[in-house]
Amino acid sequence: QITLKESGPTLVKPTQTLTLTCTFSGFSLSTSGVGVGWIRQPPGKALEWLALIYWDDDKRYSPSLKSRLTITKDTSKNQVVLTMTNMDPVDTATYYCAHRAPVAGIPYFDYWGQGTLVTVSS
Amino acid sequence: QSVLTQPPSVSGAPGQRVTISCTGSSSNIGAGYDVHWYQQLPGTAPKLLIYGNSNRPSGVPDRFSGSKSGTSASLAITGLQAEDEADYYCQSYDSSLGVFGGGTKLTVL
Repeated sequence: QITLKESGPTLVKPTQTLTLTCTFSGFSLSTSGVGVGWIRQPPGKALEWLALIYWDDDKRYSPSLKSRLTITKDTSKNQVVLTMTNMDPVDTATYYCAHRAPVAGIPYFDYWGQGTLVTVSS
Repeated sequence: QSVLTQPPSVSGAPGQRVTISCTGSSSNIGAGYDVHWYQQLPGTAPKLLIYGNSNRPSGVPDRFSGSKSGTSASLAITGLQAEDEADYYCQSYDSSLGVFGGGTKLTVL
């Protein structure tokens, strides 16, 4: 059974750096084709794809946020970490991590974490 | 503004059929990339509904179906039920990363 869970601060101040951890079970990030992604959703708004890391350490970032994002993995701990620098109130959102199905074709997410709400405010 | 365009809302009575469109361009859907669909019930995480344009994961009722043509895709829901009231998002690929539509709120009248 695949599960994912996000953890990190619920409140950050403007200009600070956000660090979120996705801890997962039921799969290995060393298995060919597997990936873990981060998606966010501002309150009442649409989903936004942020970043995706693959089993081979290939990393893909949202072009509009690339300069602020870093995604890393720790295969031994079954964790993926997302950092976002220079946080702003517009970054207030629920942040989800999700499992990328190890299949051919463009990625999609077949398992999602419950999400964690991050508020940016002074 | 999302790269993939969806109607903000659709509605239908129980038992009816509704469709939700997802319009892209030659750099995403029109480039041949697959379209996937997610259902997000109020206050919950998104759930994969359709993958690879028209495939249903195990457990998804066959009332849900997807199709793709040209630069657009559609999600159809037949035999509408109250429990289908949710937000629906399409997803494809563009500029080396996934992209989501703006979402469609389905109201069951």
